[in-house]
Amino acid sequence: GQQVMQIPQYQHVQEGEDFTTYCNSSTTLSNIQWYKQRPGGHPVFLIQLVKSGEVKKQKRLTFQFGEAKKNSSLHITATQTTDVGTYFCAASNSGYALNFGKGTSLLVTP
Amino acid sequence: NAGVTQTPKFQVLKTGQSMTLQCAQDMNHEYMSWYRQDPGMGLRLIHYSVGAGITDQGEVPNGYNVSRSTTEDFPLRLLSAAPSQTSVYFCASRRDSQGNTIYFGEGSWLTVV
Repeated sequence: GQQVMQIPQYQHVQEGEDFTTYCNSSTTLSNIQWYKQRPGGHPVFLIQLVKSGEVKKQKRLTFQFGEAKKNSSLHITATQTTDVGTYFCAASNSGYALNFGKGTSLLVTP
Repeated sequence: NAGVTQTPKFQVLKTGQSMTLQCAQDMNHEYMSWYRQDPGMGLRLIHYSVGAGITDQGEVPNGYNVSRSTTEDFPLRLLSAAPSQTSVYFCASRRDSQGNTIYFGEGSWLTVV
């Protein structure tokens, strides 16, 4: 499967600051997905990116897929305490099997 | 519409015991899978199925069995539990190969002592 490396592992921000997590692969990805997991909860699908250079927005969240389809990022503008959780990227080259990054845990203090 | 339902939510096993984690989905999804989540390791794929009667191994299949006799159900069997299998287990489903959204169950917390 496609291995994806995610950085940073942890991020601690003050409420109102921005946050970015990055997902990188050594090989070209057919698509990439992003998930959010609240503490004690289950992963919840956020978005899938498919096209080279694709940018999608969901309110304060901006997702990007690199031109070479080897990297992706999730940016949160003006974080809120409700953004606390772990953000995972997941990728597959083809077919079903998804490989998840190890996640970035975000802590937001008011 | 319940989505993906996992049982039990919590379980403590003794080393060597066997058990089955149940997973059911009511969305008529073709694709189902099992992941385990350990601290700092993210989610690792154990087994998956692309339809009734079809299963395949993921990244960490050893010590686990699965079957898919119906579209709705995808049980995960621990044959002889070991402390290394202490983890949180998530079942997930997806409509088909074109379905973007993967739905996860709420998780099963398993401790093997």
